[in-house]
Amino acid sequence: NAGVTQTPKFRILKIGQSMTLQCAQDMNHNYMYWYRQDPGMGLKLIYYSVGAGITDKGEVPNGYNVSRSTTEDFPLRLELAAPSQTSVYFCASSSGTGVLLFGSGTRLTVV
Amino acid sequence: GQNIDQPTEMTATEGAIVQINCTYQTSGFNGLFWYQQHAGEAPTFLSYNVLDGLEEKGRFSSFLSRSKGYSYLLLKELQMKDSASYLCALGHAGNMLTFGGGTRLMVKP
Repeated sequence: NAGVTQTPKFRILKIGQSMTLQCAQDMNHNYMYWYRQDPGMGLKLIYYSVGAGITDKGEVPNGYNVSRSTTEDFPLRLELAAPSQTSVYFCASSSGTGVLLFGSGTRLTVV
Repeated sequence: GQNIDQPTEMTATEGAIVQINCTYQTSGFNGLFWYQQHAGEAPTFLSYNVLDGLEEKGRFSSFLSRSKGYSYLLLKELQMKDSASYLCALGHAGNMLTFGGGTRLMVKP
């Protein structure tokens, strides 16, 4: 099992550009999450999903969109990138126990 | 809000014991979780408490008191590799976690 796989690992975007952060898990977990972590800070929930076809907003959803067409994949879309979206993005999944398994993260810089 | 508070930084000596506190202002949560995060890496699960009391897992233990709005993570026999950030998180319906800001622990020889 690969666990939770995130791509890309690093990306530099110009202001106003768009991109999709990919996340895939091979553990058949129903629950998936996107968090962002600013330097020296904790994790803030952007969006989450409790199963295929179901998504919901977290604490900081503005400027982002998600979809969950399959159990395995949970991509995060950034439209019109802004410097405030410079952060490390973590995808995570869970079987429902409350224990989250995180991917290795995507470091995004918006300039 | 849930206001999860942790000290920003702590320093301890190799071989010693350190206690990292976490306080919160909410009564509605399913469990309290602790994660470890080494610099530049993803968080990894350490421990959780659903009921009040102490949960022991090797060198790490976690304690919860719901009535006092308080939890701590206890690390014994500190090793240099324990230098990391420790994140306290509350679990909610929908299997969601809300994280505190984390405590950066530096272990010195």
